[in-house]
Amino acid sequence: AQKVTQAQTEISVVEKEDVTLDCVYETRDTTYYLFWYKQPPSGELVFLIRRNSFDEQNEISGRYSWNFQKSTSSFNFTITASQVVDSAVYFCALSDWAGNQFYFGTGTSLTVIP
Amino acid sequence: DGGITQSPKYLFRKEGQNVTLSCEQNLNHDAMYWYRQDPGQGLRLIYYSQIVNDFQKGDIAEGYSVSREKKESFPLTVTSAQKNPTAFYLCASSMRGNQPQHFGDGTRLSIL
Repeated sequence: AQKVTQAQTEISVVEKEDVTLDCVYETRDTTYYLFWYKQPPSGELVFLIRRNSFDEQNEISGRYSWNFQKSTSSFNFTITASQVVDSAVYFCALSDWAGNQFYFGTGTSLTVIP
Repeated sequence: DGGITQSPKYLFRKEGQNVTLSCEQNLNHDAMYWYRQDPGQGLRLIYYSQIVNDFQKGDIAEGYSVSREKKESFPLTVTSAQKNPTAFYLCASSMRGNQPQHFGDGTRLSIL
């Protein structure tokens, strides 16, 4: 079965702390894509990153970094030096190679306290 | 500006009534999607369409119907058969199926 698990329902950190959001996935497919999206209070989901199953190289984009480990079926997201504007719900998602089916985790609500 | 427009932002449905949620995109994307978001359950796929005049059921299609007569438009009808329609509905589009999805602002549907 295809499944994405985000075990952390809510996280609160103080501004400037680092925070890691966990994502564990299950899939029968050997080729697939993984995504992270951010949902601010306005409701619209914003795309952050897409990773294919062949590329395990970690990625850094400013204060954001992603750690993809196929051996543990995890695709974790770290925010360094968190800011209040990072407060949002973050979703991890899995799709098959063709993009015919998408599976979202239940989301992690991050609150950054000033 | 290019983007996805969902309307209305808030919608109220009476018992036994069908309602239609609008989704329009001017991104020239081939693929479009409808998701339902309930508290604590993340997003669940209702229907998707990879090309005009073709669409497929997602995980929770029962009680919903869609059409894709134009590339830009992918309306979702919530029928009276959907017994628990109160939720936040999100429409998305992507250039192709496995590309990043762009989302609209959502429609919040409630039952009167």
